[in-house]
Amino acid sequence: NAGVTQTPKFRVLKTGQSMTLLCAQDMNHEYMYWYRQDPGMGLRLIHYSVGEGTTAKGEVPDGYNVSRLKKQNFLLGLESAAPSQTSVYFCASSRTAEKANEKLFFGSGTQLSVL
Amino acid sequence: GQNIDQPTEMTATEGAIVQINCTYQTSGFNGLFWYQQHAGEAPTFLSYNVLDGLEEKGRFSSFLSRSKGYSYLLLKELQMKDSASYLCAVMDSNYQLIWGAGTKLIIKP
Repeated sequence: NAGVTQTPKFRVLKTGQSMTLLCAQDMNHEYMYWYRQDPGMGLRLIHYSVGEGTTAKGEVPDGYNVSRLKKQNFLLGLESAAPSQTSVYFCASSRTAEKANEKLFFGSGTQLSVL
Repeated sequence: GQNIDQPTEMTATEGAIVQINCTYQTSGFNGLFWYQQHAGEAPTFLSYNVLDGLEEKGRFSSFLSRSKGYSYLLLKELQMKDSASYLCAVMDSNYQLIWGAGTKLIIKP
């Protein structure tokens, strides 16, 4: 029962480098999300997907891109990393977001440091 | 704007009871969630309230007053493993989740 799996767990980048975070879920969930978590702030939604082949912007999408080529996978890309993108990134999934009581299942997080 | 307020940190004693408050101002309301997050780990779902009143689930209870824009999470018979951050989140009228910054709960023996 893997649930939501994120890789890698830690990553250090230099300013301007690019990288991709991988999220995989085995629960056949339609919705997937990428959040960032910073000290003293609530989780902030970067991008989300309501199904295979579809993506949408969240609250803080600038500097990030996403792709959902397969239902079970949701990739988060940083094209040119900046120190402001130093954060903990969480992937999450849910069966749907069209029912208010649907809970989120989170991956274990990725600690990203941009120097 | 939309806003969720929770205390930054609370301290309680093992075996005691603690109440973590959450107040919110959002564009519409489709329910309020509480999640638990241990340090360095993922948030995990604790409770969901959409109607006024108290929902009890073992040692944990969650209360909601929609007219006051207020909720609390009540933890009884505190155990050391309850040391964690507790995140309050409200689903607005567009089914978007608005998250509070979380309350770090420290349990002392």
